[in-house]
Parts: sequence; C-alpha cells; structure tokens
Amino acid sequence: GQQVMQIPQYQHVQEGEDFTTYCNSSTTLSNIQWYKQRPGGHPVFLIQLVKSGEVKKQKRLTFQFGEAKKNSSLHITATQTTDVGTYFCPSNFGNEKLTFGTGTRLTIIP
Amino acid sequence: DSGVTQTPKHLITATGQRVTLRCSPRSGDLSVYWYQQSLDQGLQFLIQYYNGEERAKGNILERFSAQQFPDLHSELNLSSLELGDSALYFCASSGTSGLYNEQFFGPGTRLTVL
Repeated sequence: GQQVMQIPQYQHVQEGEDFTTYCNSSTTLSNIQWYKQRPGGHPVFLIQLVKSGEVKKQKRLTFQFGEAKKNSSLHITATQTTDVGTYFCPSNFGNEKLTFGTGTRLTIIP
Repeated sequence: DSGVTQTPKHLITATGQRVTLRCSPRSGDLSVYWYQQSLDQGLQFLIQYYNGEERAKGNILERFSAQQFPDLHSELNLSSLELGDSALYFCASSGTSGLYNEQFFGPGTRLTVL
C-alpha cells in the first residue's frame, strides 16, 4: 500500500550535533505532517506542510516539503537531550487516514 | 496534556479474553481515531469515527471492533485476544474530518496479553 518511507530508522548523535530525518514517497502527497513521540509518551503534532517547496521553522527545527511534494525533511540544529524521541512524518494520500509507519528514533549521547 | 483521555492506562489479561478500551476526545472534537503501536510494526491506524459514523478503516482485525457514542466518546473492543495483540493502543481526536487536521493523541492504553 501507499506509505512514506522514512530514513534513517535509528540515529544516535552527540549532543550539540545536527540531525536530519528524511521522508520519501513514490506518489505526490497532498500534505505531510510531523509528529514527535518522547519515550514513554504519545505522539505530539509538530507541524503540517502543504505547499510545494514550503519551509517552516520552529526554533532549532526546520521542516521542508519538496518541490515535487514527494519528500520532506526535518533538520534539528545543535541537538539537545530534550530532542530525544521518535519522529514521524505521516501523510494522508488523499484519504482521511494518516499512515505513520515506524518513524526515526533519535537518541542523544550527552 | 492533549485533552484526550483514555482508560484504563494498563490492562493485563489472558489469551482468549475480551477487553474494552475507552477514549474521550477533546471537547468539541468530532473525529476519533484508534491506533495500535508495537515495537516491530510502528504506529498502525486501525479505524476512524466521525460524529458517530465509521469514516475510515485501516488494518483492523475482524476480532476488533469500535464504536463512537452520541456523547462522542469511543470504545475499542478486542476479542479472542492473542499474545500478538499485546501493544500500546492510542486514541486521537481532531476537530473535524478531512485531510488537513492535526490529531491530538491520548496517553494510550498498554495491553498485555499473557
């Protein structure tokens, strides 16, 4: 079925290093959302991207939607221990259910 | 706190049994979604209800069923439980139905089947 492939599955970074996770689809997406789930917690909505080439920033987080609306990325500058968690990039694929997948699990080495 | 509540927080039961998970959406939200999260499968969409009606279906087993009541709370019923049903079950809600609504997740119910 349709799904967004997210890479990497796991990432360990030293505190202060940058981190990027990528989401790729073989089909054009109507939109893409980003969620973060802290260990032991529940997914929390971060942002939604709708327009081709859209770039949005939230403090140290930068979200991009590709020109062809088939890929997206989340970049975190100078990671902190509070960034630990799993990041998901679900999309609707034109229907109303969000397909989440396994996400990217980020761990920070202090 | 997302405003979505789920009960119980933990549930331990035996194979073959039946359980009911309950979810209360955020005040005013009409859509309720159910997800199953296990280590190897990630976060899997099960089913969505909008204002009492089933709206979308995912990989929900026939042994599982759900409903949304007139007061908008929802219940997920899991029957003939198997070991593989052990997982974290999340409920989420959104204001309306549609492609562009952010979802607010509850704290989840951890189900352990022994």
